[in-house]
Amino acid sequence: NAGVTQTPKFRVLKTGQSMTLLCAQDMNHEYMYWYRQDPGMGLRLIHYSVGEGTTAKGEVPDGYNVSRLKKQNFLLGLESAAPSQTSVYFCASKTGEPGELFFGEGSRLTVL
Amino acid sequence: GQNIDQPTEMTATEGAIVQINCTYQTSGFNGLFWYQQHAGEAPTFLSYNVLDGLEEKGRFSSFLSRSKGYSYLLLKELQMKDSASYLCAGSDSNYQLIWGAGTKLIIKP
Repeated sequence: NAGVTQTPKFRVLKTGQSMTLLCAQDMNHEYMYWYRQDPGMGLRLIHYSVGEGTTAKGEVPDGYNVSRLKKQNFLLGLESAAPSQTSVYFCASKTGEPGELFFGEGSRLTVL
Repeated sequence: GQNIDQPTEMTATEGAIVQINCTYQTSGFNGLFWYQQHAGEAPTFLSYNVLDGLEEKGRFSSFLSRSKGYSYLLLKELQMKDSASYLCAGSDSNYQLIWGAGTKLIIKP
């Protein structure tokens, strides 16, 4: 069982570059989330989706965009990367409320 | 505002018992989650409480007091593999999770 898969696992970007993080889940979950995790802080929600074709802003959406064209995939885009976006990014999914979250392994992004 | 407070770090001895506390303030309340996160890995679900009381699951138990805005995670018979961060998260009226910064638990032999 693959569960939630994130690609890439590691990436180094220069300021101003763009990139997309891909999250794929094979559990037929409706809800998908993108979080960032920084030292000394709790997980912060960037964007989320409650179903195919829907997206919504979380706590820290600025500088990021998302798309959910297929139920199993949730993409996170950085149009113009900034050093403040250096972080570990986690994708997560669940069936519904108040269900447990299933997390991907994380994507470590460094912006120079 | 919404807030989750938990200790930054705790140390315990292998074989002992440790209690990790969490206090929460959320706009509305739809339950309290605990997750375990080993260094460099993803968080994994441990427990969910929405009613007052103690939920036991093997060596791990979780307690909730809604009137006090308080929860704790109790780990018994500590093993070295329990060295990890423990994340407390409250679910608000919109089912959005508010996360604490995590408690790093260090187990010593």
